[in-house]
Amino acid sequence: QQQVKQSPQSLIVQKGGISIINCAYENTAFDYFPWYQQFPGKGPALLIAIRPDVSEKKEGRFTISFNKSAKQFSLHIMDSQPGDSATYFCAASMNTGKLIFGQGTTLQVKP
Amino acid sequence: DAGVIQSPRHEVTEMGQEVTLRCKPISGHDYLFWYRQTMMRGLELLIYFNNNVPIDDSGMPEDRFSAKMPNASFSTLKIQPSEPRDSAVYFCASSFELAGGFYNEQFFGPGTRLTVL
Repeated sequence: QQQVKQSPQSLIVQKGGISIINCAYENTAFDYFPWYQQFPGKGPALLIAIRPDVSEKKEGRFTISFNKSAKQFSLHIMDSQPGDSATYFCAASMNTGKLIFGQGTTLQVKP
Repeated sequence: DAGVIQSPRHEVTEMGQEVTLRCKPISGHDYLFWYRQTMMRGLELLIYFNNNVPIDDSGMPEDRFSAKMPNASFSTLKIQPSEPRDSAVYFCASSFELAGGFYNEQFFGPGTRLTVL
């Protein structure tokens, strides 16, 4: 019940396309859902986050869509750029300070 | 601020040796987390501290692993004795709790790449 399942494991998108990464969770006590971005050789960094009281949050080209009834949330990257090539992790938390991370998605954006 | 600082950045050791990883969190942060990242298991939380006190160490794989936080600006993760399966990238992260109890982001360090031969 503590797991966060992420898909796909890897994704290849053409420049300008839309990248979509999905996550699902079981524990309805989770109340904070961040996405982290990690470049090779670096630590993960917060990209965007959402709480379950809203269904969508947009920051620039990045959008989180949240479906509370389905216990799913997704990251959409619009107009994907080669610089977006990285590993993306979804996560969930019960406001305890502890994050449960998904397995990660390696995104490659081809020029 | 310099961000979360970890040392060493790379460590190569032989099986059976003691390994100590170090972390300096961002000043003013009251949460500190230790993670391990491998291809097979992804990003795993090992242990985290709040105000220097260990809160949850359920992710610590074995008794060979131990972590301490003697003060607000320093933490160590020790592996004794080390084994080849401990080879991974170890991250330290810090955070602070916003007023009202809302959870804030975790700031990760650059990681320590550990190789146990």
